[in-house]
Amino acid sequence: VQLVESGGGAVQPGRSLRLSCRVSGLNSRDYSIHWVRQAPGKGLEWVAMISPDGENKFYEDSVKGRFIISRDDSKNVIFLQMNSPRTEDTARYYCAMHEYDDTDYFDVWGQGTLVAVSS
Amino acid sequence: AIRMTQSPSSLSASTRDRLTITCRASQDVGTDLAWYQQKPGEAPNLLIYDASTLHSGVPSRFIGSGSGTDFTLSIIGLQSEDFATYFCQQYKTFPLTFGRGTKVDI
Repeated sequence: VQLVESGGGAVQPGRSLRLSCRVSGLNSRDYSIHWVRQAPGKGLEWVAMISPDGENKFYEDSVKGRFIISRDDSKNVIFLQMNSPRTEDTARYYCAMHEYDDTDYFDVWGQGTLVAVSS
Repeated sequence: AIRMTQSPSSLSASTRDRLTITCRASQDVGTDLAWYQQKPGEAPNLLIYDASTLHSGVPSRFIGSGSGTDFTLSIIGLQSEDFATYFCQQYKTFPLTFGRGTKVDI
């Protein structure tokens, strides 16, 4: 099982950016997928989660109303749409999952994609 | 949100040492607690889940214990590859939350 993130880069505050997480080695439709971020030199912060059927989505409070998690299981890809990013959203964004159980700790992580929000 | 307080934030140790990291939750999380190890430039790796269950392939020198609000991660006989940062995470309820990490260095 492998997760590969892409879409990171430099973005100005208030603009938009869409991150992608490509899942390989299994059918993503059977798994909850999460986004976790890590600001430079800081700890881990959970960001969002989408359930296998896409019906349930949860967000960290500071990104509610700005970020949207979605999935395209026909392509085995999960997205994180970052709207109105703030400088404090600067971080490496990881997607993460559990390979065997529908649970909310993570035994599979991508390598992350770096997002830098700056004017 | 449940706040996870880890201590210490950093510590210095030597190989073959025994060390203990603590993680305290602001609310009862039962045993819905995981520990991760992260090395510089790498993604985190799962060590322990359900507070005390060792993830597949993780050496037995890593020991997790606790329930409710108080948890510990112990490393018995520290090895050179164990110098890293360790994080706890509760998955009892959303939003999921992590401790701020404990950096273990020489």
